[in-house]
Amino acid sequence: DTAVSQTPKYLVTQMGNDKSIKCEQNLGHDTMYWYKQDSKKFLKIMFSYNNKELIINETVPNRFSPKSPDKAHLNLHINSLELGDSAVYFCASSQPGVVQYFGPGTRLTVT
Amino acid sequence: AQSVSQHNHHVILSEAASLELGCNYSYGGTVNLFWYVQYPGQHLQLLLKYFSGDPLVKGIKGFEAEFIKSKFSFNLRKPSVQWSDTAEYFCAVRGQAGTALIFGKGTTLSVSS
Repeated sequence: DTAVSQTPKYLVTQMGNDKSIKCEQNLGHDTMYWYKQDSKKFLKIMFSYNNKELIINETVPNRFSPKSPDKAHLNLHINSLELGDSAVYFCASSQPGVVQYFGPGTRLTVT
Repeated sequence: AQSVSQHNHHVILSEAASLELGCNYSYGGTVNLFWYVQYPGQHLQLLLKYFSGDPLVKGIKGFEAEFIKSKFSFNLRKPSVQWSDTAEYFCAVRGQAGTALIFGKGTTLSVSS
């Protein structure tokens, strides 16, 4: 009965590779988000989707591309991974203007 | 642009001590305010929120926070901390017209038994 789930939980990969992180929510929420938490634990919004439509796209390299096949899923694809991409990526969901629920996070390590 | 400032980077307390974590925000309009907690190795969980009404809000696990509009502050308090409160605490703000949360840099709370 997990509300917001992410896969994988850990991802270790080499520079230059392409990887994807998946997120699913079973709360019936219309809006989903990707946040990045850096090594200093600072959390910052990357993307926000409402009903499969991109509504926020912060200053993020275009190597990052979110994809929402339906409103319950928001995947994050990263091309040409760099060392600086190492972080914990959190997915979240909410109804507009209401509390956001966060997933367990995906710890990405780029070597 | 919206921003959130958490004054304490790392707070160390003994069990039963009282806690107050500072949070100030910068935003010109009406805001929603949140405190989230992240226990070691876990995801963010909502502690409490303020949308409107009584500026003193109570959350889970004995935490409370007071919204002081004139000071743009939303400080988190707990009268008596426990070892299990050891965690990262994040203050966040969202403008009512927006959707994404703007987080502070977090405060690490370490409670010794």
